Amino acid sequence: DIQMTQSPSSLSASVGDRVTITCRASQSIDNYLNWYQQKPGKAPKLLIYAASSLQSGVPSRFSGSGSGTDFTLTIISLQPEDFATYYCQQSSNTPKTFGQGTKVEIK
Amino acid sequence: QVQLQESGPGLVKPSQTLSLACTVSSDSISSDSYYWSWIRQPAGKGLEWIGRVYTSGSTDYKPSLKSRVTISVDTSKNQFSLKLSSVTAADAAVYYCARASYSYDSSGFDAFDIWGQGTMVTVSS
Repeated sequence: DIQMTQSPSSLSASVGDRVTITCRASQSIDNYLNWYQQKPGKAPKLLIYAASSLQSGVPSRFSGSGSGTDFTLTIISLQPEDFATYYCQQSSNTPKTFGQGTKVEIK
Repeated sequence: QVQLQESGPGLVKPSQTLSLACTVSSDSISSDSYYWSWIRQPAGKGLEWIGRVYTSGSTDYKPSLKSRVTISVDTSKNQFSLKLSSVTAADAAVYYCARASYSYDSSGFDAFDIWGQGTMVTVSS
């Protein structure tokens, strides 16, 4: 299985801050990397697919980058509705695997 | 707007079989460029992919669950289903069904773009 490791596991930030979350794959996955946002009691929501493509309807303050084994999710100017847990997921191989999640909390 | 809805018992006894269905509405489950997955999340923990089915019936499963899992599709009902046998407390989780959209063109496009709301399954006698 491809292991996905996110960092940090949690962070505290203020509204308006720039936030960066990283995700590392245990082997190259080209650009088969997706990012999801999950709020308590809700299903995950796709934010970014293919490492850097913004899903329809997702605000442009979200962006993704990277290729191979190292990837980044950036949120510029964090908004109140962005406080949530974020997961990366590789879709290069089966089994599909997720990172352990990064919880973004209010400072 | 495509919607997915999980259904099935919320309580399963240890050693028995967990059975869930996912009904797809506002689109045909037989549409091209999709596959259908089950994903679970134990309370307070992360997401675990269980497996997938294509409308052809072809399946892939997480190796550690493969001996206990069956995912199938019923195009006449626009549904796909999960069966997990010999459940233990470790199988208690919120179970999500999800649609994956993908492309064969090596663009990197393969993502879970539509999710059901999730259904909580408790394992207890």
